[in-house]
Amino acid sequence: GNSVTQMEGPVTLSEEAFLTINCTYTATGYPSLFWYVQYPGEGLQLLLKATKADDKGSNKGFEATYRKETTSFHLEKGSVQVSDSAVYFCALPFNNNAGNMLTFGGGTRLMVKP
Amino acid sequence: DAGVIQSPRHEVTEMGQEVTLRCKPISGHNSLFWYRQTMMRGLELLIYFNNNVPIDDSGMPEDRFSAKMPNASFSTLKIQPSEPRDSAVYFCASSLGGFNTGELFFGEGSRLTVL
Repeated sequence: GNSVTQMEGPVTLSEEAFLTINCTYTATGYPSLFWYVQYPGEGLQLLLKATKADDKGSNKGFEATYRKETTSFHLEKGSVQVSDSAVYFCALPFNNNAGNMLTFGGGTRLMVKP
Repeated sequence: DAGVIQSPRHEVTEMGQEVTLRCKPISGHNSLFWYRQTMMRGLELLIYFNNNVPIDDSGMPEDRFSAKMPNASFSTLKIQPSEPRDSAVYFCASSLGGFNTGELFFGEGSRLTVL
């Protein structure tokens, strides 16, 4: 089945710093790719997605580009805020017939200091 | 609109007791997922229902775990008997059917502590 690997955290940044969280995937074909975010005490919520190669997903100032050459989907933000402190998960479907059944990376905790 | 509703939010129990976690998916969603989150293992998919039918339960750790979905608006995850290693946050998520739409709506989770 498909799988995803993301950088371990925690990542600690000062406010307004540039953020990159690495995610690489192993998959059959070219499935959609997703980033989810989990704020403290809450469930996960979809942050952004890309459905085909070279697509760029974006939301709330975050971006990620689907790179099939490097099998990567790195999450970036140009200027982080304290409110971005959360755990970020890269995800993709288990396989080509999995529908919405997603497998998630291990999560990367981001801490932004004022 | 109400999101996915889980209960209880917190449960503390003793080893050997039965635990039942409950989930009400978003109305109209026909797919339901149970995930378990721990520090050591991250997020693990336990079971996936589509139109109330279990489609994949390969993630259910052992026979002590069982899940049901008697109708489109309710699901339970039961652990009997519970063990300390079952301590985790259990999430329920729902989605509209559809291939690769990828948008799961998660509840706030049920934090289980087994002493």
